Amino acid sequence: GEDVEQSLFLSVREGDSSVINCTYTDSSSTYLYWYKQEPGAGLQLLTYIFSNMDMKQDQRLTVLLNKKDKHLSLRIADTQTGDSAIYFCAETSTLTFGKGTMLLVSP
Amino acid sequence: EAGVTQFPSHSVIEKGQTVTLRCDPISGHDNLYWYRRVMGKEIKFLLHFVKESKQDESGMPNNRFLAERTGGTYSTLKVQPAELEDSGVYFCASSQPYRGANTGELFFGEGSRLTVL
Repeated sequence: GEDVEQSLFLSVREGDSSVINCTYTDSSSTYLYWYKQEPGAGLQLLTYIFSNMDMKQDQRLTVLLNKKDKHLSLRIADTQTGDSAIYFCAETSTLTFGKGTMLLVSP
Repeated sequence: EAGVTQFPSHSVIEKGQTVTLRCDPISGHDNLYWYRRVMGKEIKFLLHFVKESKQDESGMPNNRFLAERTGGTYSTLKVQPAELEDSGVYFCASSQPYRGANTGELFFGEGSRLTVL
């Protein structure tokens, strides 16, 4: 079956960059997504990348896609305490999410 | 515009009892999905409705789970009888299908937490 794997926890200091990594198995996904879940809230779409792109930048967020290795990463520049949340990568062709990476940003 | 709403936000029941979760998708969204996250594990797909029809129910764990979407609007997910391992957060999401530039983004509700004692 298809799997999406992520590291479970990342801790950084405010102002540092955060990099959250994800590997997936289904190469037929048209889009790959990053969702964010803040405490007590549902998942919200943070950003996405079309599968024929290598990189997408959106303000403090940079998404890198390596299709050959099926590796997706999310870089958050100048991480803020408000960025503390659980981040899920997802491929939608199989409606599969990873377990989520908890990002903890300390002042 | 209202987002995806789920009810109840938290339900605590005893093993063997029945619980019904409800999801109201965003108005006009034909696609409705149910997901479940058991503590410490990944968010697992349960099933997908397109309007009132079950498009894919391959993620439903067993026949104790019954999902309906009569009329193609809101959906219910019933667990009967509930077991301890059913505890988790049940998320509902809705979307429009892929069309042109539409990315098919899923819009999630806040989830219904189920605790089975």
